[in-house]
Amino acid sequence: AQSVTQLDSHVSVSEGTPVLLRCNYSSSYSPSLFWYVQHPNKGLQLLLKYTSAATLVKGINGFEAEFKKSETSFHLTKPSAHMSDAAEYFCALDSGGYQKVTFGTGTKLQVIP
Amino acid sequence: DGGITQSPKYLFRKEGQNVTLSCEQNLNHDAMYWYRQDPGQGLRLIYYSQIVNDFQKGDIAEGYSVSREKKESFPLTVTSAQKNPTAFYLCASSRGFMISNQPQHFGDGTRLSIL
Repeated sequence: AQSVTQLDSHVSVSEGTPVLLRCNYSSSYSPSLFWYVQHPNKGLQLLLKYTSAATLVKGINGFEAEFKKSETSFHLTKPSAHMSDAAEYFCALDSGGYQKVTFGTGTKLQVIP
Repeated sequence: DGGITQSPKYLFRKEGQNVTLSCEQNLNHDAMYWYRQDPGQGLRLIYYSQIVNDFQKGDIAEGYSVSREKKESFPLTVTSAQKNPTAFYLCASSRGFMISNQPQHFGDGTRLSIL
């Protein structure tokens, strides 16, 4: 069985300060991992994906994530938060084969001016 | 531009009524998915289709039905058997169900409410 745990349901940061959104996973296989962003009443948009090519993955809008196998983590970071980053973020795991993609329960990011 | 179109954006259901949510994609993707999103629960898989004329139940299929007669289209019917249909419904597609490393592409959702 595979699972994804997003450790924080809500994160609040001040504009211009770093963002850290945490994601831990469990998989018996070599996983693919994704981060998506969702703005209110919109669908999910892909931010970045890890597919074993490099452990540090850069995505859109200045976000990046580091795959740490020893810690089974794939945390999302951004050096400096912008007001437009306020949204909900989802971590997702794909173990391949007949396993369906598993989504985390989401982290709402609030950016304080 | 390629993408996924969901319609309508808002839908209201009366007691005992079936309603159908539309999902169309022009990405030439084989796999399509329906998710239900409730606050604090993330995305839950309702049905998925790996190829035309084939579909499988997801984790919460009871009270829902789907069809996949064309590659581009994967409509979802919320039947009267679904007693708590109020939610945000998301349709997604990907190149193929068995193809790993491929992200899913999402529509902008349909918000269903009970009248």
